[in-house]
Amino acid sequence: TQLLEQSPQFLSIQEGENLTVYCNSSSVFSSLQWYRQEPGEGPVLLVTVVTGGEVKKLKRLTFQFGDARKDSSLHITAAQPGDTGLYLCAGAGGANNLFFGTGTRLTVIP
Amino acid sequence: GAGVSQTPSNKVTEKGKYVELRCDPISGHTALYWYRQSLGQGPEFLIYFQGTGAADDSGLPNDRFFAVRPEGSVSTLKIQRTERGDSAVYLCASSLDGLYTGELFFGEGSRLTVL
Repeated sequence: TQLLEQSPQFLSIQEGENLTVYCNSSSVFSSLQWYRQEPGEGPVLLVTVVTGGEVKKLKRLTFQFGDARKDSSLHITAAQPGDTGLYLCAGAGGANNLFFGTGTRLTVIP
Repeated sequence: GAGVSQTPSNKVTEKGKYVELRCDPISGHTALYWYRQSLGQGPEFLIYFQGTGAADDSGLPNDRFFAVRPEGSVSTLKIQRTERGDSAVYLCASSLDGLYTGELFFGEGSRLTVL
C-alpha cells in the first residue's frame, strides 16, 4: 500500500485568508488527483495532475505536482465558507487503482 | 440513474452476522472500486474491478471480505462474521475506463454499524 500523508490534518481559518494543504509520499505516482468531500457524500474530483512540476489553477485553487511525482500541494486564495470540507489527495498505483491520502479537514469561518 | 447508487444507505447488524452491500455503477463504466472510510479519515482502498474481474484485491483486510461483479455492472461487497471493527462507511466508485487519469464517481456510501 502506498501511503499518502496529508498535512495539516485539521485547518480552521477566517474567510479571506489563504491556505496550503500538502500531500506527501515516498512513492512515485503516475498521476495525482485532488478530491473534496462533504458530510454524507462521496468525494468529488477537483483536478488531475500528471506531469512532474505541473501547476493547474481552478479559480481560487492552485494545484502543484512535485517534480519527482511524489508530492503535491493545494493552495486556496481568499478562502470562502463554501470551501469548507474534507480535502483528499489520491495517487494512482501500478494497477490503476487509486490510493487516498489521510485527508485535511478545512473549516472556513465567516 | 445518473450516478452511482449504493444500497442500503445504512445497515445496523450484530457481531457475527453476514452483510451484503450493493453498488450500481454509472452505466457503461468498466471500472469499479470499493473503499472503506472511517470518520474524518481518507478512504481506504479495498478492491478494484475492471469488467468482471478483480484487477487488484490487495486492500481486502482478510478472508471475511469478498466482492463480486458477475456481469461487469452491479457489484456486491460481502462481509462474513462481522466484527465491531468493520463499522465504517463503505464507498463505491466507478470510472469510465479505469485509466489512471480518469475521474472516479462516488456513491453516497453505505454506513455499516456492527453492534
